[in-house]
Amino acid sequence: DVKVTQSSRYLVKRTGEKVFLECVQDMDHENMFWYRQDPGLGLRLIYFSYDVKMKEKGDIPEGYSVSREKKERFSLILESASTNQTSMYLCASSPEPVLGAPNLHEQFFGPGTRLTVL
Amino acid sequence: DQQVKQNSPSLSVQEGRISILNCDYTNSMFDYFLWYKKYPAEGPTFLISISSIKDKNEDGRFTVFLNKSAKHLSLHIVPSQPGDSAVYFCAATGANNLFFGTGTRLTVIP
Repeated sequence: DVKVTQSSRYLVKRTGEKVFLECVQDMDHENMFWYRQDPGLGLRLIYFSYDVKMKEKGDIPEGYSVSREKKERFSLILESASTNQTSMYLCASSPEPVLGAPNLHEQFFGPGTRLTVL
Repeated sequence: DQQVKQNSPSLSVQEGRISILNCDYTNSMFDYFLWYKKYPAEGPTFLISISSIKDKNEDGRFTVFLNKSAKHLSLHIVPSQPGDSAVYFCAATGANNLFFGTGTRLTVIP
């Protein structure tokens, strides 16, 4: 069974704080993803990574950065949190990259982190 | 601009009947389509997918239909069960991105 875990289920931070969201997967997947889920907007891709130390921008990378120092861990960083970053953040992983492009099929999701920025 | 749309935010169906969830997309370059199911306080879980070279894929009670000319796909659940009550997201992929719809909340009434 694939397990994707996220460091916190709920997080409350203040505007301007630096925020780290951690994600760990235990199935040796090459690809990892960060999404945010907002009402009426569905899931939107922030960043993804198809290998250690590799990262690619998704749809909405502004205000975020990521780090992938180890294959199993993918971190999302909010350098200076703002109230419009209040959201549900979902991490996902998937196997079998194809020629450097991420395998976007059948991603396995973590339970999510609900972040509130005051 | 939403490239994948689910125009029905909610759907209620009687147990045992068919549930039909719809999804429309705008980008003709999408080549693979997926449905995910999400329970409260959990991440989405993959349900079923279809390649753009097919028009139907079936897995038990779940069938996905793809109409490329209409840029439309649908998920049929027969028979619907109370445990199917969840939010369903359709998603489409092409190149290096995966686009999700806004979700439809299905309630199956016992």
